[in-house]
Amino acid sequence: DGGITQSPKYLFRKEGQNVTLSCEQNLNHDAMYWYRQDPGQGLRLIYYSQIVNDFQKGDIAEGYSVSREKKESFPLTVTSAQKNPTAFYLCASSMDPGAQETQYFGPGTRLLVL
Amino acid sequence: SQQGEEDPQALSIQEGENATMNCSYKTSINNLQWYRQNSGRGLVHLILIRSNEREKHSGRLRVTLDTSKKSSSLLITASRAADTASYFCATDLNDYKLSFGAGTTVTVRA
Repeated sequence: DGGITQSPKYLFRKEGQNVTLSCEQNLNHDAMYWYRQDPGQGLRLIYYSQIVNDFQKGDIAEGYSVSREKKESFPLTVTSAQKNPTAFYLCASSMDPGAQETQYFGPGTRLLVL
Repeated sequence: SQQGEEDPQALSIQEGENATMNCSYKTSINNLQWYRQNSGRGLVHLILIRSNEREKHSGRLRVTLDTSKKSSSLLITASRAADTASYFCATDLNDYKLSFGAGTTVTVRA
């Protein structure tokens, strides 16, 4: 089965803790993206990566970090500097970088603060 | 920076009826995409329309684009219970970034 997987489905974070959300794709896509979705709002771009070993900040990168060491993996770390991390996090990929490309989304990770 | 805005925010229709939702945006675009999201799931791409296209069809979906009014519409014909979802338009902010609206939540009643 080809697609994007995200884990875990639910994640609980304690105060001051860093947590990492996993995103893996076996579509052989070059570009990958992380979005945050809050209730009643659209998706906001956190980080994106056009190619392995390269990534750029999106609109709301503060308090987050990413790495792209492998083509198929783009993990997102929510650091303790992110003061309001409760949200639904979506990972996506596209064959090539570019806003004209179709993005394929994972099932999401819901992050909750204890 | 949110460029697209869907209208209405919510829509409730009877099964078999048509559903129409609109997307307005602020700056010029190269293309506009529509996505569907079932509750608590990821988004699924529905259709992409380029700025030089006026209308596009895919199955029961019809998308129009009016660049002079900076707006697009998505029509779902003969709706089914499975069409219950949120629908988002996404416009290209620049060469690499998409901007998603807040979405229209569609409920199809049996």
